[in-house]
Amino acid sequence: QVQLVQSGAEVKKPGASVKVSCKASGYTFTNYGISWVRQAPGQGLEWMGWISPYNGNTNYAPNLQDRVTMTTDTSTSTAYMELRSLRSGDTAVYYCARTAAARGRCDYWGQGTLVTVSS
Amino acid sequence: EIVMTQSPATLSVSPGERATLSCRASQSVSSSLAWYQQKPGQAPRLLIYGASTRATGIPARFSGSGSGTEFTLTISSLQSEDFAVYYCQQYNNWPPLTFGGGTKVEIK
Repeated sequence: QVQLVQSGAEVKKPGASVKVSCKASGYTFTNYGISWVRQAPGQGLEWMGWISPYNGNTNYAPNLQDRVTMTTDTSTSTAYMELRSLRSGDTAVYYCARTAAARGRCDYWGQGTLVTVSS
Repeated sequence: EIVMTQSPATLSVSPGERATLSCRASQSVSSSLAWYQQKPGQAPRLLIYGASTRATGIPARFSGSGSGTEFTLTISSLQSEDFAVYYCQQYNNWPPLTFGGGTKVEIK
């Protein structure tokens, strides 16, 4: 069965960076993209970007473009999302989700990783 | 960027009743519209894609309709496990993928 398992919760200080991992299993990793979606406390879903494990192509949300980097390691079927220059407004649960390029729907989701930014 | 607007923000429904949720796109998204359910402390779950196709394992009481800019998610007879927040998302013109603000379905 398809599974996306994310790394554990993180606490970071303002200005620091965080890197969240998402390990995929149960399907051919390079056949589907990975989206990253975040959710601030009590708020809705915000799409952060997408990466193709097949060729490394990325698309980032314009408001995060200068602070986010998404990568993959096909040898371990793992996707990574790094967010730099953290601020309190980045406190959120971060989700990875399997997203086929041609379809754009997020059909399987990781369990989420809480990132708390606090001094 | 396509803006997705959901209404109402909160819907109070009694168990066994029908719930109707709306989603509007700022421009046509054809049928490239998905619905997700999210329960407290859980990740979202895909319910509907292509505006009307149920995802694997989704009960028949969930149905989606619409195309272009107006969409509806209907839950025909609310069960206790259906009280949650529901989000629509367009994938016709991306990046970016865009979500609606959500509708919370609560017990009346």
